[in-house]
Amino acid sequence: DTAVSQTPKYLVTQMGNDKSIKCEQNLGHDTMYWYKQDSKKFLKIMFSYNNKELIINETVPNRFSPKSPDKAHLNLHINSLELGDSAVYFCASSQRRTGGYSGNTIYFGEGSWLTVV
Amino acid sequence: EDKVVQSPLSLVVHEGDTVTLNCSYEVTNFRSLLWYKQEKKAPTFLFMLTSSGIEKKSGRLSSILDKKELFSILNITATQTGDSAVYLCAVANAGGTSYGKLTFGQGTILTVHP
Repeated sequence: DTAVSQTPKYLVTQMGNDKSIKCEQNLGHDTMYWYKQDSKKFLKIMFSYNNKELIINETVPNRFSPKSPDKAHLNLHINSLELGDSAVYFCASSQRRTGGYSGNTIYFGEGSWLTVV
Repeated sequence: EDKVVQSPLSLVVHEGDTVTLNCSYEVTNFRSLLWYKQEKKAPTFLFMLTSSGIEKKSGRLSSILDKKELFSILNITATQTGDSAVYLCAVANAGGTSYGKLTFGQGTILTVHP
């Protein structure tokens, strides 16, 4: 069973369209993330939710809106897609531990390859 | 702003060689440093380091952290073609509004030729 699953894996779309990427984790974790990896392989955090509450919101255009209907799901909606949005988007999850964050519990999904043409 | 810098950016070696990958960081509220291996898809976890001077080992891979000098190294001995990947270093923040945030370096692309 896939621990963190994202759909779609590949998405090619035109500029100006609106698209969504879905993410689900079956690990029972309480924290989920969206990371963006650009063409230079730089992984950068975009958002983090803990128990459906937004806790990290990096400098991301308002066109990107995450939604967490429950703690096992974190979806990413992107409005008015631009060429520069082309990247791989990784969903991830972890479990908050007593005493703070423990890095080795972060599990990444396999990525969603978004190409805007 | 938190920063993680890896070197070299790319490395080409032959099977059997030993390689050392470097990671230096500047981060507020340091919690831990992590190494990931990324082949074609998801980054997979290798090590988490929280204390200086304690080497972590897994097979041919080992890593150590120096919190005074703010860097870590990842060593791979007797490299194999299957070690070819991008190796990512990341630093985790301790908590508060940065809870769970990983700041990644740009990665080192390792290519191992037969």
